[in-house]
Amino acid sequence: DSGVTQTPKHLITATGQRVTLRCSPRSGDLSVYWYQQSLDQGLQFLIQYYNGEERAKGNILERFSAQQFPDLHSELNLSSLELGDSALYFCASSLGERGTGELFFGEGSRLTVL
Amino acid sequence: QKEVEQDPGPLSVPEGAIVSLNCTYSNSVFQYFMWYRQYSRKGPELLMYTYSSGNKEDGRFTAQVDKSSKYISLFIRDSQPSDSATYLCAISGGSYIPTFGRGTSLIVHP
Repeated sequence: DSGVTQTPKHLITATGQRVTLRCSPRSGDLSVYWYQQSLDQGLQFLIQYYNGEERAKGNILERFSAQQFPDLHSELNLSSLELGDSALYFCASSLGERGTGELFFGEGSRLTVL
Repeated sequence: QKEVEQDPGPLSVPEGAIVSLNCTYSNSVFQYFMWYRQYSRKGPELLMYTYSSGNKEDGRFTAQVDKSSKYISLFIRDSQPSDSATYLCAISGGSYIPTFGRGTSLIVHP
């Protein structure tokens, strides 16, 4: 158990809809990262938050947004969903703002868009 | 060209075999090298971490980095069926955000 909690584990929704994925980092970790994993693209970095502030952005679509709250949990909002958004979404956490790349991953949220 | 290249496999070996998993990368700014293991329907977990060229050993696992060739390897000795998983290499540099390879699926059959 990594200590990172993600909910929901599975989500099925329709095109055009909006969903929110939630992540609680390991106790004491201040950084939260969101990754998307699909069969054709592998694990792609979306965005990082550190202590409530956005720190780095990767290949995140404009339809997607995220935030980190004062209690350090984070939410990833996906809107105007398309079939191609079906993927596993992982949250990971680390202690500092700039570590060495050692991340602790949750078990993921599997999103299916029909 | 992707920043980190990794053969997706699958790689199928008999129990007890020595397994060699490899990645190549393109950007010399990378300085931290990691191997993550991902079991089916689970999140990746950190297996090995190193920041220098050379070998690092942990039990049956050895991570090897060759910065001059931009090539990293993970060796698994005496492989077990419980080693069956996807192995992802990950590399980070100035941004400290790890870039992952696509992962190699390993199957160790009894």
